[in-house]
Amino acid sequence: GQQLNQSPQSMFIQEGEDVSMNCTSSSIFNTWLWYKQDPGEGPVLLIALYKAGELTSNGRLTAQFGITRKDSFLNISASIPSDVGIYFCAGRSGSGTYKYIFGTGTRLKVLA
Amino acid sequence: DTAVSQTPKYLVTQMGNDKSIKCEQNLGHDTMYWYKQDSKKFLKIMFSYNNKELIINETVPNRFSPKSPDKAHLNLHINSLELGDSAVYFCASSQGDRGLFNQPQHFGDGTRLSIL
Repeated sequence: GQQLNQSPQSMFIQEGEDVSMNCTSSSIFNTWLWYKQDPGEGPVLLIALYKAGELTSNGRLTAQFGITRKDSFLNISASIPSDVGIYFCAGRSGSGTYKYIFGTGTRLKVLA
Repeated sequence: DTAVSQTPKYLVTQMGNDKSIKCEQNLGHDTMYWYKQDSKKFLKIMFSYNNKELIINETVPNRFSPKSPDKAHLNLHINSLELGDSAVYFCASSQGDRGLFNQPQHFGDGTRLSIL
């Protein structure tokens, strides 16, 4: 099935550092979502984006809907140990469909 | 109260058996989903129901049969379990009325299925 490419696949960072990750698609999307999954739990919604160019924040997290509508970015500022987890993007193209395509995930590890 | 709840959380069973996973959501959402997450953490949609009607049916073996008795419940029955069925199965829900197709999905905590 179709998947979105996320980059980087995994990263180790020091506590306090800023983190950036992105998600790219070969087709245009009209909605982007960012989720975080902790071990043993389901993905939890972080940010939803509905318009090209939209920039939305949720605490230390900021996500952007790319102008081309083929990509999205997530930034985490001043990372803390509890930011550890897998971050997924999800995109939806077109109208009249309930289906989101999920990214391959970015595994984040924060070193205290 | 848990918004999307799945049971059981863990399921260990023998190859060839039949098993069911249950899902309930108390968010008042119209649309429910089943996803499969493999060992590499890839999330793939399997099925989706909107108001008890099947609207997404990806390429999934017909050993997997979803059932939605009402819009708050979506169960997954699996016949003749195979080794490759081992994965984490997530239920999710969203508000999926017309004009709200882009609403985010809320996930349960998953059912870890292990086939011996």
